[in-house]
Amino acid sequence: AQKITQTQPGMFVQEKEAVTLDCTYDTSDPSYGLFWYKQPSSGEMIFLIYQGSYDQQNATEGRYSLNFQKARKSANLVISASQLGDSAMYFCAMREENSGGSNYKLTFGKGTLLTVNP
Amino acid sequence: NAGVTQTPKFRVLKTGQSMTLLCAQDMNHEYMYWYRQDPGMGLRLIHYSVGEGTTAKGEVPDGYNVSRLKKQNFLLGLESAAPSQTSVYFCASSRLHGQGARNQPQHFGDGTRLSIL
Repeated sequence: AQKITQTQPGMFVQEKEAVTLDCTYDTSDPSYGLFWYKQPSSGEMIFLIYQGSYDQQNATEGRYSLNFQKARKSANLVISASQLGDSAMYFCAMREENSGGSNYKLTFGKGTLLTVNP
Repeated sequence: NAGVTQTPKFRVLKTGQSMTLLCAQDMNHEYMYWYRQDPGMGLRLIHYSVGEGTTAKGEVPDGYNVSRLKKQNFLLGLESAAPSQTSVYFCASSRLHGQGARNQPQHFGDGTRLSIL
């Protein structure tokens, strides 16, 4: 079974509007972290935001916020006031922080291609 | 601020040739990783290392070997390249979790675009 599911292969949004990119995850580990990365057409991977499984509040970083619903195992990325430069591929990833483990691998979803229209 | 540097950026190989991709990080990170990115597949972990002299297999290790002789370097080798290994390869590094780095992300290089003919 997929550990990270991004059900939207592509999304379109008008400039200045908000958009939500979906991410659901599957884990039995009580301690985990969720990450969102942006990959523009130039190819680099840019870290956007992090949410820990024990964090009481939803994470926010500037125009990015995370709608974390632990019971539903979802960690949707919300981008407010979209800009043309937000057009990119967005990846959700999970790190299972099992106790005693010595590796902190990321498992990635397949990504969502966001296009911001002027 | 170099961060994570990958060389080369582009390479074309013929089937059966060998090559080594170099990853260097200047952040004193303990952990290093190699991923491959294929269309519609996201990033998949090939091999990783939790410290100098140690390596481990990831999700798709077949056909690749790695070495971590120095803390700052992580090498990915293709002994006999196959067309199925045509991909974009990313190296990443991160801090030890216990060093107050729970929310620290993996830092990625800019990628190596590899084509096997």
